[in-house]
Amino acid sequence: AQSVAQPEDQVNVAEGNPLTVKCTYSVSGNPYLFWYVQYPNRGLQFLLKYITGDNLVKGSYGFEAEFNKSQTSFHLKKPSALVSDSALYFCAVSPPNTGGFKTIFGAGTRLFVKA
Amino acid sequence: DGGITQSPKYLFRKEGQNVTLSCEQNLNHDAMYWYRQDPGQGLRLIYYSQIVNDFQKGDIAEGYSVSREKKESFPLTVTSAQKNPTAFYLCASSIRGTLGTEAFFGQGTRLTVV
Repeated sequence: AQSVAQPEDQVNVAEGNPLTVKCTYSVSGNPYLFWYVQYPNRGLQFLLKYITGDNLVKGSYGFEAEFNKSQTSFHLKKPSALVSDSALYFCAVSPPNTGGFKTIFGAGTRLFVKA
Repeated sequence: DGGITQSPKYLFRKEGQNVTLSCEQNLNHDAMYWYRQDPGQGLRLIYYSQIVNDFQKGDIAEGYSVSREKKESFPLTVTSAQKNPTAFYLCASSIRGTLGTEAFFGQGTRLTVV
């Protein structure tokens, strides 16, 4: 079965330190990969996506993600965390065999940045 | 401003009632989606629509119904057959499918059974 895993329920970092939120996936074919962020009682906001090309993708608010095909991972990173980055982060995969209409979302990782 | 509007923000349902959640978009997107979000489970797809007058069941369609009579609108009805409807419901849209394009989300409707 096709799936997305976010192995950490919560990630805690100090402000100014680098952060990593992990994501691994299992899909058929070449994946289309996304990261979204959700603030309390709000919808999801798009951060970045990987379609093809450079394995390091840059997105909004200083976030970036590294695609690793051999490890089937797409980890989200930021060099210096801000308190305002505290939110719920979702990794998502659009399997090509579904036409892009059945995106699979991970369970989410809550990021807590301490001042 | 372009975007997706969901209403109401909070909704309370009595046992045995049907309720309808509204979703309107002015992004001129063909595809629209309904997701259910429960704590620790991520988002699960209820229904999606690729184009007007067409919709398909997602992974958890039982107890829900939708219509797509206009491109801009994709209302979701939570019927009395849905045994555990308390959740946060998110509507989304994309230009077509999400192969290479991201989805845009509404602000959500929190449904509570009382």
